[in-house]
Amino acid sequence: NAGVTQTPKFRILKIGQSMTLQCTQDMNHNYMYWYRQDPGMGLKLIYYSVGAGITDKGEVPNGYNVSRSTTEDFPLRLELAAPSQTSVYFCASSPGTGYQPQHFGDGTRLSIL
Amino acid sequence: AQSVTQLDSQVPVFEEAPVELRCNYSSSVSVYLFWYVQYPNQGLQLLLKYLSGSTLVESINGFEAEFNKSQTSFHLRKPSVHISDTAEYFCAVREDQTGANNLFFGTGTRLTVIP
Repeated sequence: NAGVTQTPKFRILKIGQSMTLQCTQDMNHNYMYWYRQDPGMGLKLIYYSVGAGITDKGEVPNGYNVSRSTTEDFPLRLELAAPSQTSVYFCASSPGTGYQPQHFGDGTRLSIL
Repeated sequence: AQSVTQLDSQVPVFEEAPVELRCNYSSSVSVYLFWYVQYPNQGLQLLLKYLSGSTLVESINGFEAEFNKSQTSFHLRKPSVHISDTAEYFCAVREDQTGANNLFFGTGTRLTVIP
């Protein structure tokens, strides 16, 4: 099983450029999440989705957008890249909330120069 | 509001020695508790979780964690570490109430096992 797949693995952007980080899962999970991980800061939730067509903001949503048109896919969009968005981005999914653990992709390492 | 504190950012330990990674949380309601492990250039993997019942939970690779409600702690322990345990470990908490979708993470503890 592939689990949660993120593409690309690495990317360098110039300030002001835009890009979409892709995330797809093959476990038929309703819940999907986007986190960013900065050194010494742990993981911060950017956006999450509880099902197709439903998204909500997390702790640090500014500068990002998401959509959820299918159960499998949950892309994260950066419209105007800024140096502060240099980070490692993780996508995760879970079958539900509460006691259900999250399954993570391998991450996208993004540098904004 | 929830918060998770991992006081030790780095823990060096010699191979075959015991280790404890500390995790404390704050919440006004019941919680679910998780430990995740992250190996270099990989995503987080679930190590173990506490849902209810016995306060001691174990993983398949020798780690265990004990839930202490009075001290609001969920420390991770292993009696004898291996080189392969070198990784970053994250404690995470989710509240047990309707609408609590967010999983709150600590800042992580980097465990380095020294040969």
